[in-house]
Amino acid sequence: QQQVKQSPQSLIVQKGGISIINCAYENTAFDYFPWYQQFPGKGPALLIAIRPDVSEKKEGRFTISFNKSAKQFSLHIMDSQPGDSATYFCAAIKRSRSEKLVFGKGTKLTVNP
Amino acid sequence: DARVTQTPRDKVTEMGQEVTMRCQPILGHNTVFWYRQTMMQGLELLAYFRNRAPLDDSGMPKDRFSAEMPDATLATLKIQPSEPRDSAVYFCASGPSGTPSYNEQFFGPGTRLTVL
Repeated sequence: QQQVKQSPQSLIVQKGGISIINCAYENTAFDYFPWYQQFPGKGPALLIAIRPDVSEKKEGRFTISFNKSAKQFSLHIMDSQPGDSATYFCAAIKRSRSEKLVFGKGTKLTVNP
Repeated sequence: DARVTQTPRDKVTEMGQEVTMRCQPILGHNTVFWYRQTMMQGLELLAYFRNRAPLDDSGMPKDRFSAEMPDATLATLKIQPSEPRDSAVYFCASGPSGTPSYNEQFFGPGTRLTVL
């Protein structure tokens, strides 16, 4: 059973446009939601994360929007650049002694120049 | 520049052979994770350790996979015997000690395994 559903699977955006990636989760016990960015041939790297007590978190051009009632969260990349082309993974975790992240299946973003 | 290192970066082997992948976590990190990445399944957690003790290996096929931490600077993932369905990229990640490290998993570059 996939606990975090991510869409779209792939996304093509023009330079300067807004990239939006959506995730939905099922387990209401999740209380921390990070996004990871992965470039080809590299491991994923933490990009930005949010806790459910806030509805939005912004870091530079990257913004997470969180809707607790809908059990959804999304990543917005403003003014998308070709260097943002990568695969993005949303994830969720229940903060406890267990540190197991549950990942979405990823979105391959291509930003055309 | 502290980073997780993994060896080998690429491994091609034949079905039935033993495969050993190694990981050196970031010095001082006490939590180590092994993930497998495939196109179909995405990122799957295979096992993880804290202070060298296995905490959860429920994601790992027990009959052929084994994970160990001989010491704090080395984690190993073994597959014996390997099968073509094991072909994937295997990532090691480490996290710092102290407060819950759920937000700080640092991934290595991965080992791309191809089993023919």
